[in-house]
Amino acid sequence: KAGVTQTPRYLIKTRGQQVTLSCSPISGHRSVSWYQQTPGQGLQFLFEYFSETQRNKGNFPGRFSGRQFSNSRSEMNVSTLELGDSALYLCASSLGDRRAKNIQYFGAGTRLSVL
Amino acid sequence: AQKVTQAQTEISVVEKEDVTLDCVYETRDTTYYLFWYKQPPSGELVFLIRRNSFDEQNEISGRYSWNFQKSTSSFNFTITASQVVDSAVYFCALTMNSGYSTLTFGKGTMLLVSP
Repeated sequence: KAGVTQTPRYLIKTRGQQVTLSCSPISGHRSVSWYQQTPGQGLQFLFEYFSETQRNKGNFPGRFSGRQFSNSRSEMNVSTLELGDSALYLCASSLGDRRAKNIQYFGAGTRLSVL
Repeated sequence: AQKVTQAQTEISVVEKEDVTLDCVYETRDTTYYLFWYKQPPSGELVFLIRRNSFDEQNEISGRYSWNFQKSTSSFNFTITASQVVDSAVYFCALTMNSGYSTLTFGKGTMLLVSP
């Protein structure tokens, strides 16, 4: 069974640009969550999508948005990039029923560098 | 609010030594789940174990063992006879019934195992 796939693995952008990251979950998983990892703040939850609807959101500005498609694939978009957005963005998938016990399986991440 | 603390930022050991990674958590929920993930240099978070708040049985899996103590809000992780391949960053994380499957992570402990 294929794991969580994130593309691209690396991105370099300049301030003010926008970027779109992609995530394909494990087959059969309907929930996709996004996390940002930085040296200073560690791993922080961005948002979660289930059945094409955002059902949970972390404390990030509106420049961070996402969507989920009918096949459960998800994209994350960051507009008007800032230097502080440089981070490893990790996607995780899980079965999706609303239980705290669900195990989230992570992809290898997209490393975004903003110059 | 929930919080996970991993006080050890970096641990260095020599191969075959035993090593314990500490994790202390805070939550007001009575039902919650604790997780350990491993992040090798490749970046992907690898799931290791999940425990629920009702099950304080300690667990051993090969060279790995976990010690969950509700009285001290701790969920420590021990690697016996460490190997170079164990070198990675280890994260302790928490989910709560009121927060569905959203993970709250500690800052991580970097483990360096030298030959």
